[in-house]
Amino acid sequence: DIQMTQSPSTLSASVGDRVTITCRASQSISSWLAWYQQKPGKAPKLLIYKASNLQSGVPSRFSGSGSGTEFTLSISSLQPDDFATYYCQQYYRYTGFGPGTKVDVK
Amino acid sequence: EVQLVESGGGLVQPGGSLRLSCAASGFTFSSYAMNWVRQAPGKGLEWVSLMSGTGGSTYYADSVKGRFTISRDNSKNTLYLQMNSLRVDDTAVYYCAKVSSGFSFNAFDIWGHGTVVTVSS
Repeated sequence: DIQMTQSPSTLSASVGDRVTITCRASQSISSWLAWYQQKPGKAPKLLIYKASNLQSGVPSRFSGSGSGTEFTLSISSLQPDDFATYYCQQYYRYTGFGPGTKVDVK
Repeated sequence: EVQLVESGGGLVQPGGSLRLSCAASGFTFSSYAMNWVRQAPGKGLEWVSLMSGTGGSTYYADSVKGRFTISRDNSKNTLYLQMNSLRVDDTAVYYCAKVSSGFSFNAFDIWGHGTVVTVSS
């Protein structure tokens, strides 16, 4: 099984901050990685697919990078609507999610 | 509008059974693999099962293999999850999710609102 880890588990930030979340896979997954945003009581929302491709309708302040085993999700200037939990997902072999990173108010 | 609507959740005793449904609309249902993903209270996302667009291929997480069965009726645009031998640790919100393209594993671009399954005596 491919294990996914994320760091940090919690990130405290302020509006306007640049935020970076890291996701690591236990083996190479090429670029088969997606990022999701989830708010309490809501379904996850796809932000990034294939490591760096922005899903339609997602603000350009979100970006993804990486390949192989290390990936990052960046938010260039954190907005009030961005306080949420973020998950990475590999779909190289079957599929699985990282444990999540909660972005909260500093 | 592309939409997924789950139903069938509820309270069930350990060892019991439940069948979840996911009604799809706004896209060609048979052209996409579909998934069930669950989230236990206060926990992260756990993929449960995938069925290909034609229904010819199915995959399960080890935690549900042999107890859960995924199926679909493309004539009714509906995905199902039959859950047997339910355990307390199956308690979760169950989401259905559509893959963004193709017949197998991919990013999930459309999610339902979820249905709550509670397993408790």
